[in-house]
Amino acid sequence: NAGVTQTPKFQVLKTGQSMTLQCAQDMNHEYMSWYRQDPGMGLRLIHYSVGAGITDQGEVPNGYNVSRSTTEDFPLRLLSAAPSQTSVYFCASSPLGYEQYFGPGTRLTVT
Amino acid sequence: DQQVKQNSPSLSVQEGRISILNCDYTNSMFDYFLWYKKYPAEGPTFLISISSIKDKNEDGRFTVFLNKSAKHLSLHIVPSQPGDSAVYFCAASARGKTSYDKVIFGPGTSLSVIP
Repeated sequence: NAGVTQTPKFQVLKTGQSMTLQCAQDMNHEYMSWYRQDPGMGLRLIHYSVGAGITDQGEVPNGYNVSRSTTEDFPLRLLSAAPSQTSVYFCASSPLGYEQYFGPGTRLTVT
Repeated sequence: DQQVKQNSPSLSVQEGRISILNCDYTNSMFDYFLWYKKYPAEGPTFLISISSIKDKNEDGRFTVFLNKSAKHLSLHIVPSQPGDSAVYFCAASARGKTSYDKVIFGPGTSLSVIP
């Protein structure tokens, strides 16, 4: 039982490049979400999903896309990276209405 | 517009004393509140939660109090230990009866417990 896994752990991108942050969970949780953590801003919700095929925007969705084709996977796509997207990204999952389990994070730097 | 606020960015407490971390929220639809703890270079981990039908929930050294009329909750840690030094996040959601909404986090409070 691996819990919530995220890849990669670290990534450096140039402005304008695209990439996908991977997130997977093996707990059969319906709810999955992506947050970014920035100094002084705490954890801000980017996108979330309450089940396969269902996604919705969080507080800071601009510049990011998500899809949920399976219960297990919830990838986050950066379409055209910008320096403002330099952050630590956390993926989380939970049964609906309960506490979330977080992955270890991906540290992204955009130059 | 921040829906979940933690107005103290940091807090220092002597070992053995009580730590009190505060959280305020603005959205009256929130009915489920959680506290998470985060160490550097790790993901947050769940600590304790409270439903809006209660005003207090205890788990060992950790107690959460909820004042719905003031839209305020607090986390009490007694006694505080050096291993409690971490960033604490307050979070809230609207679980509702027929739907489940997103979970919103506050900006966090960095707790330092001094030996």
